[in-house]
Amino acid sequence: ETGVTQSPTHLIKTRGQQVTLRCSSQSGHNTVSWYQQALGQGPQFIFQYYREEENGRGNFPPRFSGLQFPNYSSELNVNALELDDSALYLCASSLEWGTGPPNYGYTFGSGTRLTVV
Amino acid sequence: GESVGLHLPTLSVQEGDNSIINCAYSNSASDYFIWYKQESGKGPQFIIDIRSNMDKRQGQRVTVLLNKTVKHLSLQIAATQPGDSAVYFCAENIKREYGNKLVFGAGTILRVKS
Repeated sequence: ETGVTQSPTHLIKTRGQQVTLRCSSQSGHNTVSWYQQALGQGPQFIFQYYREEENGRGNFPPRFSGLQFPNYSSELNVNALELDDSALYLCASSLEWGTGPPNYGYTFGSGTRLTVV
Repeated sequence: GESVGLHLPTLSVQEGDNSIINCAYSNSASDYFIWYKQESGKGPQFIIDIRSNMDKRQGQRVTVLLNKTVKHLSLQIAATQPGDSAVYFCAENIKREYGNKLVFGAGTILRVKS
């Protein structure tokens, strides 16, 4: 059984640029959630993808967008990067059925460290 | 608003002692709570979880207690080891119309002294 893998591990971008982060979900999981973790803080929910559709969003602007593919992997895209977007971006996969908490919880990847200069 | 907070930002314990990390949550409708351990440069690692219909759950060296009356969650680590040094987060699972999301606290740093 493979865990959640994220790529790249580190990334440096210039303000105003666009970035795409990738996540492969754990085998058997059908849902991917993305979180932003600023230094010294807990992760903040960005959005969730289920059945290739966005399934809820946190307090993030539209320049944060995503995709989920038929194999349940996912991408997070951020346009017009700002300095405050510098953070660790975490992907978590889970098995959800639409009701109740996810079966067997969430599995997190190691994250992508994005630095915007 | 939604929030999961922690009482102590840093906890220092002697190796072999027991550790207790506390957490307060705000959403009465939360159905599931999780403790995560995060080491430097890594993603959150699952430690133990508990559903809202339970008061206590035990794992290997860890116990989670849930007090729904006062909306309080705690993590107890028995015989704390140097490898337990990390940041610990409690997280509250919030069920939305479609799917779930986690609300995390700011974290507690656990330092284990040898």
